[in-house]
Amino acid sequence: GAVVSQHPSWVICKSGTSVKIECRSLDFQATTMFWYRQFPKQSLMLMATSNEGSKATYEQGVEKDKFLINHASLTLSTLTVTSAHPEDSSFYICSTVSPWGGDTQYFGPGTRLTVL
Amino acid sequence: DAKTTQPPSMDCAEGRAANLPCNHSTISGNEYVYWYRQIHSQGPQYIIHGLKNNETNEMASLIITEDRKSSTLILPHATLRDTAVYYCIVRAQGAQKLVFGQGTRLTINP
Repeated sequence: GAVVSQHPSWVICKSGTSVKIECRSLDFQATTMFWYRQFPKQSLMLMATSNEGSKATYEQGVEKDKFLINHASLTLSTLTVTSAHPEDSSFYICSTVSPWGGDTQYFGPGTRLTVL
Repeated sequence: DAKTTQPPSMDCAEGRAANLPCNHSTISGNEYVYWYRQIHSQGPQYIIHGLKNNETNEMASLIITEDRKSSTLILPHATLRDTAVYYCIVRAQGAQKLVFGQGTRLTINP
């Protein structure tokens, strides 16, 4: 399957600061990447779809000005949590669609964000 | 996307086959059944998917009923490392979104 990396794997920040999370597709070019969020003991929730060369598409209820997505290249998408607050503490996971396995999504290892 | 129903938890003895059921009674003709699993504090891992025929790979087998209203994921010889939450998801061909339900928490016991 496709290999997807995320950086950092975990981050702790102070309330009010911004945090950037990177998602990289390591073995193919991904025109589309997805960002999910997972709160403790809950399932994954899709936040937005990141499209290379165009604006991201956000799911209902997700603030696009708070969660900035930049699909800078065909192998890199970034999610910036701006003015983070404790309620933004969560597990953030990205995924890409493999060009080899139909439209199967492959996921990164996730980034644990803790806002103090 | 069609919704799926899975038992919230299951237990299985190490070395035995783990059979995880999933109901998707409202599945449409162009919707595939996907299975992922998530080990604690990791991203979901793709396991297998199918449309109507049974599928097998190095990880598992997927049995889909003839009416496609339910399926079963089979881990033939479960190990402790198979302890995870298993998600059954239906998705139309070409659709990009994956909608995760609550999944089944599978615990493999020694």
